[in-house]
Amino acid sequence: EPEVTQTPSHQVTQMGQEVILRCVPISNHLYFYWYRQILGQKVEFLVSFYNNEISEKSEIFDDQFSVERPDGSNFTLKIRSTKLEDSAMYFCASSEIPGVGTEAFFGQGTRLTVV
Amino acid sequence: AQSVTQLDSHVSVSEGTPVLLRCNYSSSYSPSLFWYVQHPNKGLQLLLKYTSAATLVKGINGFEAEFKKSETSFHLTKPSAHMSDAAEYFCVVSERRDDKIIFGKGTRLHILP
Repeated sequence: EPEVTQTPSHQVTQMGQEVILRCVPISNHLYFYWYRQILGQKVEFLVSFYNNEISEKSEIFDDQFSVERPDGSNFTLKIRSTKLEDSAMYFCASSEIPGVGTEAFFGQGTRLTVV
Repeated sequence: AQSVTQLDSHVSVSEGTPVLLRCNYSSSYSPSLFWYVQHPNKGLQLLLKYTSAATLVKGINGFEAEFKKSETSFHLTKPSAHMSDAAEYFCVVSERRDDKIIFGKGTRLHILP
């Protein structure tokens, strides 16, 4: 069964450093998403991506964040200068074109710890 | 704008008894509704989805959900809880015109022996 894969599973970084979280979506999917879940809190929408550009983003997704689909298979989330409050589980997801009953398939997540 | 409210942050039931996890949604258009489950240290797994074909939806692991438009609800049920059901459950809504899906805050289900 096709699945979304994320690497690494756990990343530890120092405050102020840049991190890149990687995702390989399901191959025939067209929409890609990043969500995050701070420990003990709800899953929050960050950004959606379609046709090589950002489709929608939340207020969390500020200038420190960027997304890219560099080679047609990977989908990356970059945080330019990490802050302590960026520590969270980051989930990548992909879907076909959103429609009635179109679910998103989620990866296992990358746990980012900023120290 | 779409939104979803999970009325209970924690639910505890005894093994073998029924489970009810409540979810209410707000949507301007015909929504798609989903329940996802997250086991400890695991990713998000789709339990079931409402696609307007039938108001009673059956999912994996014996879970069901009923879409009630008049009550704007999509509650998740299971007749008999199992220890392996202990997890976090998320009610999720999406609208066709929006390029995002919205999560509820989650309900942590505890199963008592």
